[in-house]
Amino acid sequence: DTAVSQTPKYLVTQMGNDKSIKCEQNLGHDTMYWYKQDSKKFLKIMFSYNNKELIINETVPNRFSPKSPDKAHLNLHINSLELGDSAVYFCASSQDSGDLTGELFFGEGSRLTVL
Amino acid sequence: AQSVAQPEDQVNVAEGNPLTVKCTYSVSGNPYLFWYVQYPNRGLQFLLKYITGDNLVKGSYGFEAEFNKSQTSFHLKKPSALVSDSALYFCAVRDNTGTASKLTFGTGTRLQVTL
Repeated sequence: DTAVSQTPKYLVTQMGNDKSIKCEQNLGHDTMYWYKQDSKKFLKIMFSYNNKELIINETVPNRFSPKSPDKAHLNLHINSLELGDSAVYFCASSQDSGDLTGELFFGEGSRLTVL
Repeated sequence: AQSVAQPEDQVNVAEGNPLTVKCTYSVSGNPYLFWYVQYPNRGLQFLLKYITGDNLVKGSYGFEAEFNKSQTSFHLKKPSALVSDSALYFCAVRDNTGTASKLTFGTGTRLQVTL
């Protein structure tokens, strides 16, 4: 069983479209994250949810809207896609966020290409 | 804010030789430091962490890291490199300066192990 699974793995779309990426974790963790990895492999946190509550929102454009229907799922919806949104988006989870001493478990990534 | 620096974009080493991947950190307070590895087209995997205690931390796949407070460094090491160790390595630091803990990653170092 995959611990953190993301769908789709690849996404190719036109500028201006709206798309979603889904993430599920079966580890029973309380906290989930979205990270963006750009073409230079630089990783930057976008959002974090703890038990369905948004706790980190890192200066991300309003076009990006995360949603956590329950603590095992964290989805990312992107409106009006732009060329600069092309990247690999990683979902991750951890046992807790209050005292992040443990590891993050990452999904395999979703590669978004905007044409 | 907390930060880590990885001064080398790439490290080349011959199989069987020792390897070192460098990381320096800048934090206020006690550092919580991590190493992650990313294989091609995969998510990041946890290797090891330093929270407190012994300065030499042992992790997965025979890797270890040495915490050096005076040099503010947390270099990743392995006594004998394998071709299969070739991957992208990220140093990370826990950042508690915002509303919740998060991991801030370095820019990554590509390790190339050759026969």
